[in-house]
Formats: sequence, structure tokens, C-alpha cells
Amino acid sequence: GENVEQHPSTLSVQEGDSAVIKCTYSDSASNYFPWYKQELGKRPQLIIDIRSNVGEKKDQRIAVTLNKTAKHFSLHITETQPEDSAVYFCAASGGDYKLSFGAGTTVTVRA
Amino acid sequence: NAGVTQTPKFRILKIGQSMTLQCTQDMNHNYMYWYRQDPGMGLKLIYYSVGAGITDKGEVPNGYNVSRSTTEDFPLRLELAAPSQTSVYFCASSYSSGSPTQYFGPGTRLLVL
Repeated sequence: GENVEQHPSTLSVQEGDSAVIKCTYSDSASNYFPWYKQELGKRPQLIIDIRSNVGEKKDQRIAVTLNKTAKHFSLHITETQPEDSAVYFCAASGGDYKLSFGAGTTVTVRA
Repeated sequence: NAGVTQTPKFRILKIGQSMTLQCTQDMNHNYMYWYRQDPGMGLKLIYYSVGAGITDKGEVPNGYNVSRSTTEDFPLRLELAAPSQTSVYFCASSYSSGSPTQYFGPGTRLLVL
């Protein structure tokens, strides 16, 4: 099955700086890559996703890039704010409607 | 439109007891999923369903059972609870494989002692 690896496991950034989280996947048939944000004690919530026919997608301060050849994708958060502090999960799906999740990255934005 | 709802929010079980975690969605989604999330870890798929009457195992199905008699409900049954089943359980749903965005419920925190 699909194996998703996520790095780093923790990330501390100064407010206003950028944060980058990287994920790799193993199944070349995967074609859907969502990113979820989970605040402490809350449910995971989708923040952005990308399909395999697109190389980059942006939504305000958040962007995701996908390199199908290398089988990796990344989340970029610019101008970080305290409310960006959370755990972020990447995931991959091979079109069989099942998601395989990375282990998560705990992002801390320092004021 | 409540989305995905789960009950209970929190439960303490003794070893060997059984319980059912309830999940309901009102978005007319065909696909439903159960995940468990252990502390500091990602989500592991337990079982999933692509429609009423159809269920299949995920990555970590041992010790659990599911049923899907209606589109809206997807209960997860724990038989003979074990300490290893202490976790947070999330139910999720999505419309179809063409619309794969999964929406999560608020979770059920389970402690097995």
C-alpha cells in the first residue's frame, strides 16, 4: 500500500517567517494530495489540496507544490502568524478513495 | 447541516468490555471512514465504506467491526476492549472518488483501563 513520509516532525519559526513541510509518497498511482491542519483537541480540517495534473496551487498565504517525478510534495506557509501554530498532516490517495497520512508536523510560531 | 457528528465525546472502558462508537453524516456522502489517532501520530484507517451495505478493512482493522445499513450512519464496534485500543477515533466522509475531500467528525476519545 501507499507509504507517506513527512518531515520535519517539529518546526519552530519566528512570526512573519515562512514554514515549509515536505512529504514523500511511494505509490506512483497516487493522484490526490491533501493537507490537513489539526489544532489541539480538534478535528483535522482540510486547508489545501492538489491533484496530480497540477504542479502548484496557492490560497492566500498557503501554497502546495507537487513533483510527480520525484514523488514528493510540499506545503509552504508564508508570513506565519500565531494562529498557524498547529499540527499539519499531509496525505496521499491513489484514486481508491483511501487516504494514507504522514505522521504530522508540529508547527510553533514564536511571537 | 451538522456535517459529521460522533458520539460519545469521551469514554472510559474496562478491559474486556464492548462498546459502539456512533458516526452520522447529513451531507449525503457515499464514502465513510473510521480512523484512529494515537498520541503524536498520524491517522490510521481502520475500516471504510463506499455505500450502504458495503464495508472493507483498512490498515488496522483487528479488534473492530463496522456495519453500514444506511447512507447516514457508520458505527464502529469494539469487542473485548484492550489497552492498545486507547486512542482518539475519528469518523470521516466524502462524496465520491471524484470528490475525494474528506470531512472529519469531532472525534471520540477512548481510554481502556
